[in-house]
Amino acid sequence: SQTIHQWPATLVQPVGSPLSLECTVEGTSNPNLYWYRQAAGRGLQLLFYSVGIGQISSEVPQNLSASRPQDRQFILSSKKLLLSDSGFYLCAWLTGGYTFGSGTRLTVV
Amino acid sequence: AQSVTQPDIHITVSEGASLELRCNYSYGATPYLFWYVQSPGQGLQLLLKYFSGDTLVQGIKGFEAEFKRSQSSFNLRKPSVHWSDAAEYFCAVGANDYKLSFGAGTTVTVRA
Repeated sequence: SQTIHQWPATLVQPVGSPLSLECTVEGTSNPNLYWYRQAAGRGLQLLFYSVGIGQISSEVPQNLSASRPQDRQFILSSKKLLLSDSGFYLCAWLTGGYTFGSGTRLTVV
Repeated sequence: AQSVTQPDIHITVSEGASLELRCNYSYGATPYLFWYVQSPGQGLQLLLKYFSGDTLVQGIKGFEAEFKRSQSSFNLRKPSVHWSDAAEYFCAVGANDYKLSFGAGTTVTVRA
């Protein structure tokens, strides 16, 4: 079956610390993968998407980066977190509409 | 560029009553339209989608939505709400089925 895994579920990090969020999918090959951020009381903002290994498109300039080292792995990173990076991060893959992971709640303190 | 407006930030409805959530979009051609539901602390689940064809779309959990081109709307409805329908609902629009624009969401509270 097709599933998407995202971890960790929650994360509290100090300002200036690095970040690595991981997303993996199972049961499919060469998926289109996406990172979204959801700020409190707001809709979803597309951050990055990838159509294949090593291919990353950035939608908005920011403090974050993304990488796709393997076909079914998508990583969201930052070298130095800012307070404004706090939010709910969702990984998704395209299956006639998005299938979302369960999300990571990031709080930068 | 496409955009989505969900005019209602919060709706409270009694269990067993009907529910309608409004969604208005801005897009120059026939859009791809979606409704998602998000329970607290969870990811989003696809309720239904419209790509083409019949403008009344049936989804999961007893939801339906109607695409009205003349009104640029894609409102979500459910005839009888259950307590488990309390959640946040997002409408989304796109030129295709990826790179969607999402509305800010409508929070639904169900009272007994």
